[in-house]
Parts: sequence; structure tokens; C-alpha cells
Amino acid sequence: EVQLVESGGGLGQPGGSLRVSCAASGFAFSTYSINWVRQAPGKGLEWISYINDDSSTMYYADSVKGRFTVSRDNARSSLYLQMNSLRAEDTAMYYCTRGRTSGSPQYFDYWGQGALVIVSS
Amino acid sequence: EIVLTQSPGTLSLSPGERATLSCRASQSVSSNYLAWYQQKPGQAPRLLINGASSRATGVPDNFSGSGSGTDFTLSISRLEPEDFAVYYCQQYGRSPPTFGQGTKVEIK
Repeated sequence: EVQLVESGGGLGQPGGSLRVSCAASGFAFSTYSINWVRQAPGKGLEWISYINDDSSTMYYADSVKGRFTVSRDNARSSLYLQMNSLRAEDTAMYYCTRGRTSGSPQYFDYWGQGALVIVSS
Repeated sequence: EIVLTQSPGTLSLSPGERATLSCRASQSVSSNYLAWYQQKPGQAPRLLINGASSRATGVPDNFSGSGSGTDFTLSISRLEPEDFAVYYCQQYGRSPPTFGQGTKVEIK
């Protein structure tokens, strides 16, 4: 069974940093690209980041470019999102999603349950 | 970026009725790379349709997708109680991938 389980997040201060992790199981993690999608409270979905299978290619939404960094550890079947220079508008549920189609952009066939990030002083 | 506009915002229907949801793109979606997702309260989205019309694994056949170019439709032939949820379309034909704002299907 494919599973994506996010952890981390929580409460962060404006200008501060947080890291969200995603542990994958039930599929060959090292052969799939992974994306982060976020959802602000009561709002719609926003794609924010893509990383390919071997970490050679990453893409970011303009809203997080230069502040967020995605990385992965294929040996640990894990994905990370380092979030710096946090802003109030980064408050959202962050979903780790498995991407389909070669390259980017992709659609997302499996989603984690999400990690909540709240940015507030 | 491609802007997706979903209509209506809310659809009030009774169980057993047919639901028709629309997703219109600001420019043509190449190769009909259009997906649909279902999201229930407190849950992550679930993939229903990719490639405009291909049902994902385990999705019942009362869900169907159609359309091409800039106009796409998700149809639910007979609404079951578990089908009342929010539905999002997403294009993956051009970077960045973008989502519509969602259509809520609620019990009338």
C-alpha cells in the first residue's frame, strides 16, 4: 500500500524557519518525482514544489522561490521541505504528493495526510 | 500561468441526482492534461480522473470526465451520500501546474 506520511511543521514565527518531512513507503520511492502542494485554511490547492527522482531538478512556485528548499534522501525514502523567511501567508496544510507523467508538471496520484504549518507571532 | 475557473461554486443536489461540474481554462490545456480530485472535510484530496477522462484506480464508474482544449467536465451520474465533497480540477499541461478554486457539491 502506497503511503506518504508528513511530520514536522507546527508554529513558526514570521521571518523564522520550519522543516516538514515526508516518509514514503509501499512503492519504489527512488523512481518517482515528488511534489509539495499546500492549502491555506478554508482555501484551495496551490502547487509549490517539485523534485525529480534523483534530485537533479527542482522547481518552485514564485510564491516560495528563494525561501523554500526541497530535498530528498532516497536511502531513507524521505522528502524534506525547508521553509525559511516564513510569512503569515505561508500558513497552510502542506501535502506531500507522488507525481505522475515524466518530468514536470505532473498530476498527483497519492497524497499524504498533510502537515499543518502556522506562521504567527 | 493557466488559470482554471470552476463553476458553479456550489451545487446543491439530492442523492441519486446527476452532478455536472465545469472547469474552464484561460488557454488550451495541451494533450488534455487535466485531472480531477475529490476532497472531503479533514481529508487530503483524492485523485479521480487524469488525462481528462481516465478514471484512477478504484474510482467507481459513476464518475466520468470529458472535454478538451479549454472546456472540461466532471460528471457524477448518480450521487451517493459519500460523493458530497469539494471537487478540484488541475492542469498539468504547462508549468506551473495550477488548480481551479473548487466546486462544493452539497446535499440539498
